[in-house]
Amino acid sequence: DTGVSQNPRHKITKRGQNVTFRCDPISEHNRLYWYRQTLGQGPEFLTYFQNEAQLEKSRLLSDRFSAERPKGSFSTLEIQRTEQGDSAMYLCASIWGVNTEAFFGQGTRLTVV
Amino acid sequence: DQQVKQNSPSLSVQEGRISILNCDYTNSMFDYFLWYKKYPAEGPTFLISISSIKDKNEDGRFTVFLNKSAKHLSLHIVPSQPGDSAVYFCAASGVGGSNYKLTFGKGTLLTVNP
Repeated sequence: DTGVSQNPRHKITKRGQNVTFRCDPISEHNRLYWYRQTLGQGPEFLTYFQNEAQLEKSRLLSDRFSAERPKGSFSTLEIQRTEQGDSAMYLCASIWGVNTEAFFGQGTRLTVV
Repeated sequence: DQQVKQNSPSLSVQEGRISILNCDYTNSMFDYFLWYKKYPAEGPTFLISISSIKDKNEDGRFTVFLNKSAKHLSLHIVPSQPGDSAVYFCAASGVGGSNYKLTFGKGTLLTVNP
């Protein structure tokens, strides 16, 4: 068990570029979540997968954001045409079964310049 | 509309004393509560949780108290240690249809002074 792994740890991009983040959950965790945290705020829910199915998306997730979890293993979060307001820490978490203790990765810090 | 509120942005205590972090919630559908600890540039680390059917849960130096009627929970750390210095987030989950997603407060920065 190597924990939840997120890559890259840091990403600096120019406004208007596309970025993609990857999350590898704890193996056999069937539930996977993406959260976003900005300065001075707690993590905010973005989207949720149970296995490969995306079951819920927050209204925070504009149409520039898309997430996938092919084969129910790793997940990717893509942001198209990035804006400065997208600058944040993007966190991935996974849960096994109905256990609600979510295990978080170290996050990807996105800076849009 | 903040459903989980941590009204103290920061708290400073002396090593060896008790740290008490508070959290209030407004959504009566929440029935599972968690505390996470976060160091800078790292993801949150699970600390302790409590189900709404309990009013207290203890794990070593950490105890969480839940007052359902007041929609209030607190985390007690005794004795506090300098390594406890971090941001503490209160989170809530409404199982049974909520997909177990967590709603977080804004966090409280705890500083434990040697």
